[in-house]
Order: sequence, then structure tokens, then C-alpha cells
Amino acid sequence: GGIITQTPKFLIGQEGQKLTLKCQQNFNHDTMYWYRQDSGKGLRLIYYSITENDLQKGDLSEGYDASREKKSSFSLTVTSAQKNEMAVFLCASSRAGKGNTEVFFGKGTRLTVV
Amino acid sequence: GDSVTQTEGLVTLTKGLPVMLNCTYQTTYSPFLFWYVQHLNEAPKLLLKSSTDNKRTEHQGFYATLHKSSSSFHLQKSSVQLSDSALYFCALTVSSGSWQLIFGSGTQLTVMP
Repeated sequence: GGIITQTPKFLIGQEGQKLTLKCQQNFNHDTMYWYRQDSGKGLRLIYYSITENDLQKGDLSEGYDASREKKSSFSLTVTSAQKNEMAVFLCASSRAGKGNTEVFFGKGTRLTVV
Repeated sequence: GDSVTQTEGLVTLTKGLPVMLNCTYQTTYSPFLFWYVQHLNEAPKLLLKSSTDNKRTEHQGFYATLHKSSSSFHLQKSSVQLSDSALYFCALTVSSGSWQLIFGSGTQLTVMP
């Protein structure tokens, strides 16, 4: 088995601040994802990456940057934190290629902007 | 575009009763359907999945059948337990190339003693 580790677990930022969330996986998966979880809205895709140095925008990419530095790590940057923003950011990974492939998730980084 | 609809945001039941959580989807492509479960402060985990029309799939007492004729993949259990209290997400990928998981808004299931 493997694990997805997200750091930090809790992140408090100030309005306008640039914030970076980190994710590591030891599944040796090719594809990694960042999702945003808001209450009542399900999980929405921000960015994904099918291999090292690849980046693909999801439906919610505006206001975010991402970086896939190596196969095992995927970072997400909130470019300018919005006041009163509260959400959980979930990192995930999967094997490449097939639609019925299981996606594995981390426990999330909980962001609060004051 | 492709989408998933879960009509119940909150479901509260007494232990031992049956449950059905609704999931319908829209796509013009061939679909893969999933149910993920997220317990409090835990990561979402795959509960079950299917791409076969009219075939029941089961795991941990939960079951679902993909019905392409009605675009549905409802999750059921015959007798819920306290430990089933969690957030349940229905999700879809389609055979259009990029294999993105598209999630429904989730159903919070609370089981009372």
C-alpha cells in the first residue's frame, strides 16, 4: 500500500497572501490531482498532472498555480488568498490511463483566510 | 457537459434501517461510475465502482447497479450501522480521453442509535 501526505494540515493566511500547499505520494503513481472541497459543493478539480513537469487546468484553476517538481510531489499555490475563504484542499493520485482506475486521496489541508 | 447529481444533501436514519442514496449522471460518452466515502477528518476512499450496465456491484454491505437507460447509480444498503455515518460522493469518468473524476455534491449520511 501507499500513502499521500499533505502539508500543512491546517493553514491560516491573510487576505492577499500567497500560500503554498504541498503533497507527496509513495504509490509511484503517474497522475496527481488537486481538488477543492467546499461544503455542499462536492470536490472540484483545480489542477492535475499526468507526469513530471506536466500541468493541466481543471475547472477551478483561476487563482491557483501548481507545480509537479518530480513524480512523487505536487504543489499548489493560492496566488492571492481571499478574505473569509474557507475550504479543504485534497491532493490525490492514480495510475495512468484508464477510466476505472481508483483515485487515492490525502486527508487534506484546511485553509482559513482571515 | 458531463455532470453528476446527488439530490439529497443530508440523510438521517436509525440503525438497522435500509438506505438508498441517489446518483444520476449526464454524459454522451461511455461512463465509469464510482462511490467514494469520506469519514470525518479522513481521506475519501473508494467504496465501489462499475461500468457494466445492469450488473450489481457490492462492497462492505453496500451495493449499486449502473442503469444506463436511466443514467443512474444509486447506492444502497439493507441495514445501516453507526459506523456508516459519513459523507458519500458519487463520481463519474468518461471515455473521452482525459479521465477526470467529476464529483456530485455529496450526501451526508448520519445513522442514529
